[in-house]
Amino acid sequence: NAGVTQTPKFQVLKTGQSMTLQCAQDMNHEYMSWYRQDPGMGLRLIHYSVGAGITDQGEVPNGYNVSRSTTEDFPLRLLSAAPSQTSVYFCASNPYLNSPLHFGNGTRLTVT
Amino acid sequence: AQTVTQSQPEMSVQEAETVTLSCTYDTSESDYYLFWYKQPPSRQMILVIRQEAYKQQNATENRFSVNFQKAAKSFSLKISDSQLGDAAMYFCAYRSGTNTGNQFYFGTGTSLTVIP
Repeated sequence: NAGVTQTPKFQVLKTGQSMTLQCAQDMNHEYMSWYRQDPGMGLRLIHYSVGAGITDQGEVPNGYNVSRSTTEDFPLRLLSAAPSQTSVYFCASNPYLNSPLHFGNGTRLTVT
Repeated sequence: AQTVTQSQPEMSVQEAETVTLSCTYDTSESDYYLFWYKQPPSRQMILVIRQEAYKQQNATENRFSVNFQKAAKSFSLKISDSQLGDAAMYFCAYRSGTNTGNQFYFGTGTSLTVIP
C-alpha cells in the first residue's frame, strides 16, 4: 500500500498564481484533511472531508478550496497565492473518527 | 478551540538514557483522545502513541510510554533507552471524542536531540 501520496514535494509560486496540491489515499479511509505546518505554530487544520461529496472548513481556510469527488482524492487549491501561504502542507486520512491520522510526506510551498 | 501546549521547544538526551517530553492541554470535555507524533528530518509525520481519555492505564509502545494525568490535563511522553533514530521533532495532539468535525489540535513541538 502506498498510503497517502502527495504531489508535488516542492513548489515555488509567484504571488497571484494558482495551483492545486494533489492528495490521494489507497486505504479506503472516509476522512481526509489538509494541515499546514509553520515554524513555532504546530499544524493547523485548513479543510477536511468526512466522505465523498462532503467538505468543511477548519481553523485556517481562507485562500484555499477543496473538493472530494471520490473517496481516494482530496485536492487542495490555492486560488491566488500569497507570501503568507508559504508553508509545509500535509494531507492526512483516517478511517473513522477518533482514529489516528495517517499523513502524506508533505509539500513545501514557497510563494515569492 | 482546544489549546495544546508543549513548553519545551528543545530537549537533549544522551544515547541509552531516558527523556520525558511535556504536553498539557486545555479542555472542558471528558471524552477525548491524545496522540504523540514524531517528525524526523525526512518531514514524515509518524504516530508514536495514542491514549484514550476514558482509559486510566497509561499507553505504552515498546520504549515509548506516556504519563497521562487527566485531572492535571497533562500528557507527557517518556522515551527509554534513547537511540540516535529518536532524534526528531515531537508533536502532541488532541482530538475531541464528541466533535464530528475531525479536528486535531497540535502543540508547537519539541525538538529532541540525541547525543552519542
